[in-house]
This record gives sequence, structure tokens and C-alpha cells, in this order.
Amino acid sequence: GQQLNQSPQSMFIQEGEDVSMNCTSSSIFNTWLWYKQDPGEGPVLLIALYKAGELTSNGRLTAQFGITRKDSFLNISASIPSDVGIYFCAGQGYSGTYKYIFGTGTRLKVLA
Amino acid sequence: NAGVTQTPKFQVLKTGQSMTLQCAQDMNHNSMYWYRQDPGMGLRLIYYSASEGTTDKGEVPNGYNVSRLNKREFSLRLESAAPSQTSVYFCASSDGPGTQYFGPGTRLTVL
Repeated sequence: GQQLNQSPQSMFIQEGEDVSMNCTSSSIFNTWLWYKQDPGEGPVLLIALYKAGELTSNGRLTAQFGITRKDSFLNISASIPSDVGIYFCAGQGYSGTYKYIFGTGTRLKVLA
Repeated sequence: NAGVTQTPKFQVLKTGQSMTLQCAQDMNHNSMYWYRQDPGMGLRLIYYSASEGTTDKGEVPNGYNVSRLNKREFSLRLESAAPSQTSVYFCASSDGPGTQYFGPGTRLTVL
């Protein structure tokens, strides 16, 4: 099945550092979503993006909808230990229904 | 307001047994989804329901059936469980772009 390419797959960073991750696709999407998943729990929606070029923030998180509509980026500023988890992107193309394709995830580990 | 709830949280089955995973949402969303998540992978769509009374296949529907009982409830059935169906199953609901919310998951092991 089709999945989005998400990178990096995993990363270790020091507390206080900024983090960047991205998601790319061969298909055009109308909506991009970014989720965080903690161990043993379901994904939690962080940010939703609706149009090309859009830049949206949620606290220390900032996400952008790529101009080509085939990619999206998530930045976390001044990371803290509770940022540990898996971050997923999801894209929704136009199909008349709200069906999403998920990336394979970026596993983030923060070293105190 | 509980959001999306799933039962059971954990289940162990023997090969060939059947079971139904239950999902309910109290957000009055039209669309509901079933995903599976395998170690080191993202979520793959099994089935979805765009609205009450409709269902459609996702990426990995083989071995599963679904029922959209009413607007609130969407169940996933394994008729004859196989070890390849060992996974974590997530239900989600949505009422438009950017509104997809997930339940806590059901951890299923098939021996």
C-alpha cells in the first residue's frame, strides 16, 4: 500500500535543541496532518494544514504545507524530555471522502 | 465527552477463532476508520465508513469485515484469526479535513 516517506526515521537530540522532520509524497495532497504517539497510546493530532504554503504553529511546534503540495515539514523548538515519542505525518488527497495515508513515523528521543 | 472509545484493550486469540472489536465516538462525526499498526510502521487503513450506512475497503481489508451499526459505532470483525493479524488496532473518527481523532487502541495477539 501507498505510504508517505518520512525522515529521519529516528533521531537523538539534546534537550533544548531544535528538531526538524519532513514528509514527502509522489501524490498531491489537500490536507496534511501531524500526530504524536506516546508508547501504548493512540496518535494525538498536533497540527492540521489546509493549503499550499501554509505555516501553522501550536506552541513550540511549527508545521508547513509545502508549495508543491507533495511535502510537509514539522519543527519543534527548544525540545524538552516530554517531546519523546513517534511523530507521524498523514496526507489526505481529494477522493470525495476523508481518507488519509500515513507516514512511517519519526522516533524522537531527547537526551536530558 | 469521551471522544473515541475502543473495547477490548487487550485480546489474545488462537488461530481460527473469531472476534469483534468495538468502537464508538461521541463527537457526532460522520466518518469512521479502522487502522492497524505493526511494529516500526505507520498506520494502514483496513476499512472506513464515510457516513452511516456506507463502508469501503482501505489498503489491507483481507481477513476483516466491518459494520457501521449507527452514526456512533463502527465494529471490526475477524472471522478466522491468523497470526499475521497480530497487531495494534486503532479506530478513528472524522468530520472533515483535519479532524481525525483516534481511540486508545486494541492490542491483539493471535497464537
